[in-house]
Amino acid sequence: AQSVTQLDSHVSVSEGTPVLLRCNYSSSYSPSLFWYVQHPNKGLQLLLKYTSAATLVKGINGFEAEFKKSETSFHLTKPSAHMSDAAEYFCVVSGTGGFKTIFGAGTRLFVKA
Amino acid sequence: SQTIHQWPATLVQPVGSPLSLECTVEGTSNPNLYWYRQAAGRGLQLLFYSVGIGQISSEVPQNLSASRPQDRQFILSSKKLLLSDSGFYLCAWSVEGGAETQYFGPGTRLLVL
Repeated sequence: AQSVTQLDSHVSVSEGTPVLLRCNYSSSYSPSLFWYVQHPNKGLQLLLKYTSAATLVKGINGFEAEFKKSETSFHLTKPSAHMSDAAEYFCVVSGTGGFKTIFGAGTRLFVKA
Repeated sequence: SQTIHQWPATLVQPVGSPLSLECTVEGTSNPNLYWYRQAAGRGLQLLFYSVGIGQISSEVPQNLSASRPQDRQFILSSKKLLLSDSGFYLCAWSVEGGAETQYFGPGTRLLVL
């Protein structure tokens, strides 16, 4: 069975400081992992995707995530937060076929000026 | 390039009234299609998915139904809306096969009064 846990429901950072959004997953086989971002009243946009290639994945808008099998983690990071990064972020695990796609509960990122 | 459309963007309906939300995809053939609901402050719940015309799978029992009358058209319906049907409805598509990325539409905000 697959599951995904986003460890923080809310994260608040100051503009220009690093961002860390934590995600742990559980999967009985090698999963694909995704991070999506959702701005208010908008659809979800793909930030990055891991599919068993390089463990450090670079995405759009300066975000990156590292797949750590030993820790079953796929945390999302960004060196310097921007006001426009304020949004909700979803960690997603998927197996064979999108029908087994599971979304985390989401982490809302607040960025203070 | 592929695009996904949803309409209407916002809808306010009385309890007991019918519902029809439409989703169309352009620029791809035989996509997998998905309907999700996002209740306020909560993650995404997969409602229906479809691998082809007339092929619908339901993830959870509910007051809603889905249809796929054409390859790139996915419709979410209800005969009688409930207050609990309020939420943000997202349509998504993916290419068939594998742990594929899902691409989301802009969403429909439904408020049942």
